[in-house]
Amino acid sequence: AQSVTQLDSHVSVSEGTPVLLRCNYSSSYSPSLFWYVQHPNKGLQLLLKYTSAATLVKGINGFEAEFKKSETSFHLTKPSAHMSDAAEYFCVVTSTGGFKTIFGAGTRLFVKA
Amino acid sequence: GEEVAQTPKHLVRGEGQKAKLYCAPIKGHSYVFWYQQVLKNEFKFLISFQNENVFDETGMPKERFSAKCLPNSPCSLEIQATKLEDSAVYFCASSQRGDRNYEQYFGPGTRLTVT
Repeated sequence: AQSVTQLDSHVSVSEGTPVLLRCNYSSSYSPSLFWYVQHPNKGLQLLLKYTSAATLVKGINGFEAEFKKSETSFHLTKPSAHMSDAAEYFCVVTSTGGFKTIFGAGTRLFVKA
Repeated sequence: GEEVAQTPKHLVRGEGQKAKLYCAPIKGHSYVFWYQQVLKNEFKFLISFQNENVFDETGMPKERFSAKCLPNSPCSLEIQATKLEDSAVYFCASSQRGDRNYEQYFGPGTRLTVT
């Protein structure tokens, strides 16, 4: 069975400060993990993915995430938040075969000037 | 095309009417997925296709929902006799392969409002 838990429904940071969006997963098989961003009234855009290669994954717009098997976590970070980062972020897990895709509940990121 | 296209952007239907949504996957992608995003941002998987074949339909409310992906045509998701709770944004995604390593590319969504 698979599941994804995004530990915070809302995160608020000031512009220029670090961002941490937390994601824990549960999977019976070797998972692939993804972070997507959704801006208001838009579709999902892929930020980065982990597919059993390097555990530290770098994505677009300065985001990165580290796969920690011992902690079953895949937290998303960015050293310095920008106003344009304000959006909804989804952590997603897929299992072997890729046919089961499970979404986290989403984390809304607010960036204050 | 290089992007997943969805039409229409918005659709308003009275309760009990039919709604039909369309999706054109990225050229060369073999897998198509449909999701329903309700107000609380929850993404619910509905159905997936491998080319024109249904691959996984475990999320479909079969009594009113149906979907097709026919050769040389956009994929479609149809809701017969819409209900108020069908109001949501419906996203289509496509993927090059069904392997877990391949990410899904999402369209902009169709917002369905049932009144």
